[in-house]
Amino acid sequence: GESVGLHLPTLSVQEGDNSIINCAYSNSASDYFIWYKQESGKGPQFIIDIRSNMDKRQGQRVTVLLNKTVKHLSLQIAATQPGDSAVYFCAEKTSNTGKLIFGQGTTLQVKP
Amino acid sequence: EPEVTQTPSHQVTQMGQEVILRCVPISNHLYFYWYRQILGQKVEFLVSFYNNEISEKSEIFDDQFSVERPDGSNFTLKIRSTKLEDSAMYFCASSAKIEQYFGPGTRLTVT
Repeated sequence: GESVGLHLPTLSVQEGDNSIINCAYSNSASDYFIWYKQESGKGPQFIIDIRSNMDKRQGQRVTVLLNKTVKHLSLQIAATQPGDSAVYFCAEKTSNTGKLIFGQGTTLQVKP
Repeated sequence: EPEVTQTPSHQVTQMGQEVILRCVPISNHLYFYWYRQILGQKVEFLVSFYNNEISEKSEIFDDQFSVERPDGSNFTLKIRSTKLEDSAMYFCASSAKIEQYFGPGTRLTVT
């Protein structure tokens, strides 16, 4: 069946370092991928998205990489800050549905 | 910046009672969604709603659940007879096209 999963449940980084959060997906029909950030007690907050016809997209301090060959998605955060501490979810969808399928989540801890 | 709002932030109810969770989506959005997140787990899709009807629903969204857009601004999720396992955070989301914006959630506790 469909599944989106994350390799590591917790990632601890030093402030100022770069962070890389990984995600594996299994539905090859998915054509849109999103990274969400969820802070404690809040709803998922959109970070960045990428369509399947791209392999890289950059935002402000964040980059998403998509490798369709191995069905792998990653989120890179440059110069990680304490405010980046949160749970990060990848999500996928196919073009014929609005349903987002979320991965399990990676907790990012930023040490000062 | 426009945002999705949800009320109440926390709802405590007894098993078997009906609850209504309320959402005000972003005003120019046409697609509406409900998701839930059991504590410590991933976010799960419940239902999507467009043009005043359900466009898709998950296996979780059984006959105990219903959604409604009673007016031009509100979007509600009703659980007719709550069970202990319905305890979770419930998130409303809306979108204009693809990007979904989530509300802060309602924590539902069924005792």
